[in-house]
Amino acid sequence: NAGVTQTPKFQVLKTGQSMTLQCAQDMNHNSMYWYRQDPGMGLRLIYYSASEGTTDKGEVPNGYNVSRLNKREFSLRLESAAPSQTSVYFCASSRKTGVYEQYFGPGTRLTVT
Amino acid sequence: GENVGLHLPTLSVQEGDNSIINCAYSNSASDYFIWYKQESGKGPQFIIDIRSNMDKRQGQRVTVLLNKTVKHLSLQIAATQPGDSAVYFCAETSDNYGQNFVFGPGTRLSVLP
Repeated sequence: NAGVTQTPKFQVLKTGQSMTLQCAQDMNHNSMYWYRQDPGMGLRLIYYSASEGTTDKGEVPNGYNVSRLNKREFSLRLESAAPSQTSVYFCASSRKTGVYEQYFGPGTRLTVT
Repeated sequence: GENVGLHLPTLSVQEGDNSIINCAYSNSASDYFIWYKQESGKGPQFIIDIRSNMDKRQGQRVTVLLNKTVKHLSLQIAATQPGDSAVYFCAETSDNYGQNFVFGPGTRLSVLP
């Protein structure tokens, strides 16, 4: 099992460009999440999907959109990148939302110039 | 967890000694806690969890202690090894939070030879 995979690993964008971060999990988990991690700060939830077919905003959703393509895949889109979106992005999955362990992918390091 | 801005607290420990990493959590309603380990350039990795009906849980070389009275969580690592060098952070949630884990910013553990 690969667990949670993310692509790309690194990306540099110019302000105003768009891109989609891809995430897939092979653990048959119902719930998936997108976080961003900034230096010296805890992970902050951008969006999550409690189950296939549903998505909801987290703590910092502005500037992002998501798609739960199927049970395995959950993508994060930046429509018009801004320097404030420079961060490391992590995808995670869990059996269900709530008091269940979340498994994380290796992250995507995004720089917006 | 406390936001320490750009500078993570650092704990330096001699190889072979025991390490204790602390976390002050924010919500007395939290009833599930996880410790994660994050190595440089990688995603967070689950170490151990504990529910609020327990005050101690042991794993392989790790012990988590929970003090609900003062909202404090600690991670003890026995016989610390060079491979333990990483950032460690706690996460808290509750069934009432739904999808939301609250993540601390972390403590950097450096193991000295």
